[in-house]
Amino acid sequence: AQRVTQPEKLLSVFKGAPVELKCNYSYSGSPELFWYVQYSRQRLQLLLRHISRESIKGFTADLNKGETSFHLKKPFAQEEDSAMYYCAPETDSGGGADGLTFGKGTHLIIQP
Amino acid sequence: KAGVTQTPRYLIKTRGQQVTLSCSPISGHRSVSWYQQTPGQGLQFLFEYFSETQRNKGNFPGRFSGRQFSNSRSEMNVSTLELGDSALYLCASSFTSGWSTDTQYFGPGTRLTVL
Repeated sequence: AQRVTQPEKLLSVFKGAPVELKCNYSYSGSPELFWYVQYSRQRLQLLLRHISRESIKGFTADLNKGETSFHLKKPFAQEEDSAMYYCAPETDSGGGADGLTFGKGTHLIIQP
Repeated sequence: KAGVTQTPRYLIKTRGQQVTLSCSPISGHRSVSWYQQTPGQGLQFLFEYFSETQRNKGNFPGRFSGRQFSNSRSEMNVSTLELGDSALYLCASSFTSGWSTDTQYFGPGTRLTVL
């Protein structure tokens, strides 16, 4: 069965410190991988997707196929980064249908 | 472009009743996915519709069903409601390329409370 693990429910770091949010997945095949973010009182929205290889708001995500991990990183955290972050591989690996399997999420708090 | 809209935003039902939730996707988007969000289980995928056909399905009982209309609007139905169905139900739309999962744009959700 597909499984996504975000080991930290809560992560608190100081402003300016590096941030790493961990994500491990257990899947057959090579799923498309996403990170979604939900800021306070806003809708869930895409932060970045692996295939585009973009850096959004200073975040990058490293795919390690051997470890089946897709950790999210930012070198210098900012207060506006405080939010709930979800790792989300696609459910239909290689099939083309849309749908995501979400991890339980990590609540990131950036302290001033 | 207007975002994904969901109606109603809040709903209170009693056990045994049924409920229908509605989702209007972003104009031009052809795929609609539904998710259930609860404090205990987090976000769980229910199903996805494309061109009025269910193309992908999560691990939920048959009491949960959905459909999509020719204008891509979608509804989901839950029959014989149970207390555990209390949740935030999120709808997401995507343009969908058909060969890989596309970026999903989420609605604000419908908060369902079952008493």
